[in-house]
Amino acid sequence: GENVEQHPSTLSVQEGDSAVIKCTYSDSASNYFPWYKQELGKRPQLIIDIRSNVGEKKDQRIAVTLNKTAKHFSLHITETQPEDSAVYFCAAIPETSGSRLTFGEGTQLTVNP
Amino acid sequence: NAGVTQTPKFQVLKTGQSMTLQCAQDMNHNSMYWYRQDPGMGLRLIYYSASEGTTDKGEVPNGYNVSRLNKREFSLRLESAAPSQTSVYFCASRRWTGELFFGEGSRLTVL
Repeated sequence: GENVEQHPSTLSVQEGDSAVIKCTYSDSASNYFPWYKQELGKRPQLIIDIRSNVGEKKDQRIAVTLNKTAKHFSLHITETQPEDSAVYFCAAIPETSGSRLTFGEGTQLTVNP
Repeated sequence: NAGVTQTPKFQVLKTGQSMTLQCAQDMNHNSMYWYRQDPGMGLRLIYYSASEGTTDKGEVPNGYNVSRLNKREFSLRLESAAPSQTSVYFCASRRWTGELFFGEGSRLTVL
């Protein structure tokens, strides 16, 4: 199955700085790349996703970029705020995998006021 | 529209006891999933069901069984609970666009 590696495992930034989390994947057939945010004690929720026919997608302060040649994709958060503090998970889903969906190991982002 | 509903939210078991976690979704999704999340850890896939009538093993299926009762319901059973199964369990269903919708989680402690 698909193997997704996520880095860094922890990230601490000052409020207002940018944060970048990177994921690499192994299966070149992967074509759907979602990012989930999980606040402490809560369920994960989708914040942004990208499909392989686009290279970048933005939604206000968050963006995801995809490099299919290098098999990596990244989450970018600009002008970070304390409420961005959470664990972020990535996934890469091959079209051929059916419904199997596994995640990267997560990144604990802390935004310091 | 409740989304994904899991029960129970909390459960304490003794080693060797059995229990079933229930999950139901009202969004008419075909695919459903069970994940476990240990403290400070990521989401690990236990079992999934691509559609009604099918189930498949995920990354960590040992010690668990599942039943896709109908399109709405997907249950997870622990036949003989072990302390290593102490975790938070999340059920999820998947929209046709790919997005997963998670339940609130079930916190299980095995003594």
